[in-house]
Amino acid sequence: AQSVTQLDSQVPVFEEAPVELRCNYSSSVSVYLFWYVQYPNQGLQLLLKYLSGSTLVESINGFEAEFNKSQTSFHLRKPSVHISDTAEYFCAVSDLHGRGKLIFGQGTELSVKP
Amino acid sequence: GAGVSQTPSNKVTEKGKYVELRCDPISGHTALYWYRQSLGQGPEFLIYFQGTGAADDSGLPNDRFFAVRPEGSVSTLKIQRTERGDSAVYLCASSRQIAGDNEQFFGPGTRLTVL
Repeated sequence: AQSVTQLDSQVPVFEEAPVELRCNYSSSVSVYLFWYVQYPNQGLQLLLKYLSGSTLVESINGFEAEFNKSQTSFHLRKPSVHISDTAEYFCAVSDLHGRGKLIFGQGTELSVKP
Repeated sequence: GAGVSQTPSNKVTEKGKYVELRCDPISGHTALYWYRQSLGQGPEFLIYFQGTGAADDSGLPNDRFFAVRPEGSVSTLKIQRTERGDSAVYLCASSRQIAGDNEQFFGPGTRLTVL
């Protein structure tokens, strides 16, 4: 069985500051890792994913996440946030076969202030 | 192209009533998933279909919950004898299921309120 822990329920930051949203997972098998974002009044959207290969993955809007197998972490970072990044962010895992359910963390609410 | 759609967007019902929630996946997506999201929580897996069959229903909380996908496209989640604790946003997602990539595309959800 897998589980996901997002260590911060809320992260308030000022615009243009760096941010890190932390995610740790537990699994007895190899996993795929995902970050989803939910903007206010919108559905869940995939932000980025790690399947294999390079442990550093990037999104089109400047976020990046690094898979660290030894620490079982997949933290999300951005060097300079914008007001428009305000949203709920969810870390998720699925097993290596990648055909089944996603196990989500409880979410981190990122609030970017001017 | 069209994304995953869910109807209704909101459903208010009374305790003990029966409800049906509908999901239209992205055309050509063979896999379909149902999740439930309670306030302040991440989505919680309910059931997964591969084609017409339920490949994993381990997340259904009890036998009041049932889901079907008779033609391998549209799916209906059915809840009998609703309880106040069933109130949540019910999310549907679909996936192409290409080997090694399980990117799931989510619908906007149905907000169920049981009074």
